[in-house]
Amino acid sequence: QQQVKQSPQSLIVQKGGISIINCAYENTAFDYFPWYQQFPGKGPALLIAIRPDVSEKKEGRFTISFNKSAKQFSLHIMDSQPGDSATYFCAARRKTSGSRLTFGEGTQLTVNP
Amino acid sequence: EPEVTQTPSHQVTQMGQEVILRCVPISNHLYFYWYRQILGQKVEFLVSFYNNEISEKSEIFDDQFSVERPDGSNFTLKIRSTKLEDSAMYFCASSEGGQVNQPQHFGDGTRLSIL
Repeated sequence: QQQVKQSPQSLIVQKGGISIINCAYENTAFDYFPWYQQFPGKGPALLIAIRPDVSEKKEGRFTISFNKSAKQFSLHIMDSQPGDSATYFCAARRKTSGSRLTFGEGTQLTVNP
Repeated sequence: EPEVTQTPSHQVTQMGQEVILRCVPISNHLYFYWYRQILGQKVEFLVSFYNNEISEKSEIFDDQFSVERPDGSNFTLKIRSTKLEDSAMYFCASSEGGQVNQPQHFGDGTRLSIL
């Protein structure tokens, strides 16, 4: 019940294309859904996050779509650039103060020039 | 921009030895976390710490592990009697508050290699 499942494991996209990464969860106590971006040799960095009371959040080229009834959420990267090549992790967090992040398995995105 | 700092960047230790991983969280942050990432796997939660106490720990965080905030700036993870399977990247994170939408900021990690 604590798991967050992420797909695909790897993704190759051409420059200018749309990258889509999907996640699903089971625990209805999760109340916050961030996406983290990780470059080699670096720690995860928060990219964008959403609460379950909205169905979509957009920041620049990055959009989260959230489907509460299906318990699924996805990250869309529009106009993908080679600099977006990184590993992306979805995560989820319960409302409890100081609660842990539960991460998905990660997606290695490669954007070809 | 303030950041979480971790030292050392790489630690090599013989199996059975004790190791201490160090972190300097962002200065006004009150919540501190340790996560680990075994090579090629997902990031896993170990422990959270607030007000000089462990507030949550995972099943991974057994008696082999301990955390401490020895002074006003450092946050440490001690692993006693290290095992081969402890080899991983260890990430420290901190957040300003404990609310669900308070982001956790991660350091760049310590790569722990157990020989």
